[in-house]
Amino acid sequence: TQLLEQSPQFLSIQEGENLTVYCNSSSVFSSLQWYRQEPGEGPVLLVTVVTGGEVKKLKRLTFQFGDARKDSSLHITAAQTGDTGLYLCAGGYKSGGGADGLTFGKGTHLIIQP
Amino acid sequence: DAGITQSPRHKVTETGTPVTLRCHQTENHRYMYWYRQDPGHGLRLIHYSYGVKDTDKGEVSDGYSVSRSKTEDFLLTLESATSSQTSVYFCATRVSGLPEQYFGPGTRLTVT
Repeated sequence: TQLLEQSPQFLSIQEGENLTVYCNSSSVFSSLQWYRQEPGEGPVLLVTVVTGGEVKKLKRLTFQFGDARKDSSLHITAAQTGDTGLYLCAGGYKSGGGADGLTFGKGTHLIIQP
Repeated sequence: DAGITQSPRHKVTETGTPVTLRCHQTENHRYMYWYRQDPGHGLRLIHYSYGVKDTDKGEVSDGYSVSRSKTEDFLLTLESATSSQTSVYFCATRVSGLPEQYFGPGTRLTVT
């Protein structure tokens, strides 16, 4: 069983501050995805990283995939109240069966206070 | 956006009754998945499908069955609902060859 540990589980900060969320595993993943989920809705894909050491930017969000493809981080610069939500990382793996799977972390609940 | 809808969006049922949840997609994605999301557990895979009539078990498949008779529809059935199956259920789809999964809006199921 491949496990993904996310930290912190909960984070509450003031608007304008920076933050980093971590996603760690002992397993190597073929890809790593970050999702954002709002209450009452399904997860929405933010980014996919596939190459070790890869860095992707999405406006104020910076995503990094570790060199060994076992960990990832999400950094938010100058957080805004609209960034509030549940952030999920998911590691992709090649299954021996008919479909490639995703292992999800338990998520980071982020609250940005005005 | 894979045009995924789930029905019903909310359901309350009694222990021991059968329940079927439906996932419908309009993008012709080959792969479809059913997850449940519970506090403290995150998203866990129940069953998945890699084509019409091709399905397989996920991490938490006990008490659940699935069927896929058409590309666009993936049904999840609880043969005899139990209180431990109270959860939020999400359907997801994936294009062949790409890792991204796209999620539906979810079904909140309460078993009393």
